[in-house]
Amino acid sequence: AQSVAQPEDQVNVAEGNPLTVKCTYSVSGNPYLFWYVQYPNRGLQFLLKYITGDNLVKGSYGFEAEFNKSQTSFHLKKPSALVSDSALYFCAVRDSNYQLIWGAGTKLIIKP
Amino acid sequence: EADIYQTPRYLVIGTGKKITLECSQTMGHDKMYWYQQDPGMELHLIHYSYGVNSTEKGDLSSESTVSRIRTEHFPLTLESARPSHTSQYLCASSDIGRHAGYTFGSGTRLTVV
Repeated sequence: AQSVAQPEDQVNVAEGNPLTVKCTYSVSGNPYLFWYVQYPNRGLQFLLKYITGDNLVKGSYGFEAEFNKSQTSFHLKKPSALVSDSALYFCAVRDSNYQLIWGAGTKLIIKP
Repeated sequence: EADIYQTPRYLVIGTGKKITLECSQTMGHDKMYWYQQDPGMELHLIHYSYGVNSTEKGDLSSESTVSRIRTEHFPLTLESARPSHTSQYLCASSDIGRHAGYTFGSGTRLTVV
């Protein structure tokens, strides 16, 4: 069965430091992977997706994600964190019915 | 501008009342979804639709019902609201392509007192 795991409930990073939000997946066949961000009292916003090709995917707001097939991971990264990056981040994988299976979310806190 | 709209944004209602949460999208997407989310927590799929006259229950048991009479409209109804229904409700839509992601509305924050 398809599944997504976000092993960290919360990640704390100092402003200006690099950040990583982890995601691992389990899926049969080729994975289609997504990252979304949710700001307080808002819906989810699309950040980036991996379909095929280059393992490093660039997305919105300076975020990127690295697809690693051998480790079945799709970690979200940013070279230099901003306080405004503080939000809830969700990783998702598309299942065989073309629905998204969601991780539990990771709260990212960027401290000034 | 193509988008997905949810109304109301916030709703406080008494126990036992009937409520309908509205969701409309202007993108012509066939697939639509309703999620329930407690603040800062994970998403729970409660209903979805693959097109007009198609509705299915999601992973989380819910006392709500949905309808899909028009492609653009996917309302969610609670016949008798209870305090346990207090949550945020998110509507989303997607195209049929396998590479398509979801577009989310801004959500309805429901409080049942």
